[in-house]
Amino acid sequence: NAGVTQTPKFRVLKTGQSMTLLCAQDMNHEYMYWYRQDPGMGLRLIHYSVGEGTTAKGEVPDGYNVSRLKKQNFLLGLESAAPSQTSVYFCASSQVITSGVDEQYFGPGTRLTVT
Amino acid sequence: GDSVTQMEGPVTLSEEAFLTINCTYTATGYPSLFWYVQYPGEGLQLLLKATKADDKGSNKGFEATYRKETTSFHLEKGSVQVSDSAVYFCALNSYSGGGADGLTFGKGTHLIIQP
Repeated sequence: NAGVTQTPKFRVLKTGQSMTLLCAQDMNHEYMYWYRQDPGMGLRLIHYSVGEGTTAKGEVPDGYNVSRLKKQNFLLGLESAAPSQTSVYFCASSQVITSGVDEQYFGPGTRLTVT
Repeated sequence: GDSVTQMEGPVTLSEEAFLTINCTYTATGYPSLFWYVQYPGEGLQLLLKATKADDKGSNKGFEATYRKETTSFHLEKGSVQVSDSAVYFCALNSYSGGGADGLTFGKGTHLIIQP
């Protein structure tokens, strides 16, 4: 049971390049999330998904797109990277329980630098 | 909107000292409250949680009590160890709209324990 995995772990992009971050979970969770972590800002929600084929915007969605074609995978895309997107990106997943939604399980993170 | 305020760090303590990290929140409804811990170079791990007023979450010697009257969820530990050095995040999820729209995080408190 690997939990939540993310690829790649590190990446350096030039301004204007595109890339996709992959998140995979093997816990059969319904809900998946993408966050970014910046110094002094805590974690901020970019996009999330409440099930296969669904996505929704979080707090800071601009410049990112997501897809959830399979229940276990949640992809985060940057179509035209900007230096402001330099950050550490975390994926998380959670399951539905009778009282709402359970705790979130986090991946190890992807450190992205845009020059 | 929802918000979480926690004491800014870094907080530096000697080994075996008593720890308190303050956390207060603003939310609609009745949120669930969490403390997550992030060790260097790793993702976030759930430390403890509480889902209703007066609940006490506890784990690894850490405790926090959900205080609805003061909208607080302060983290405490009686005797800290060097291995407790990490960044601690207070978070809430109010499950607004019946969906899972992510956690709202505080900015994090960097805890440094000196031997």
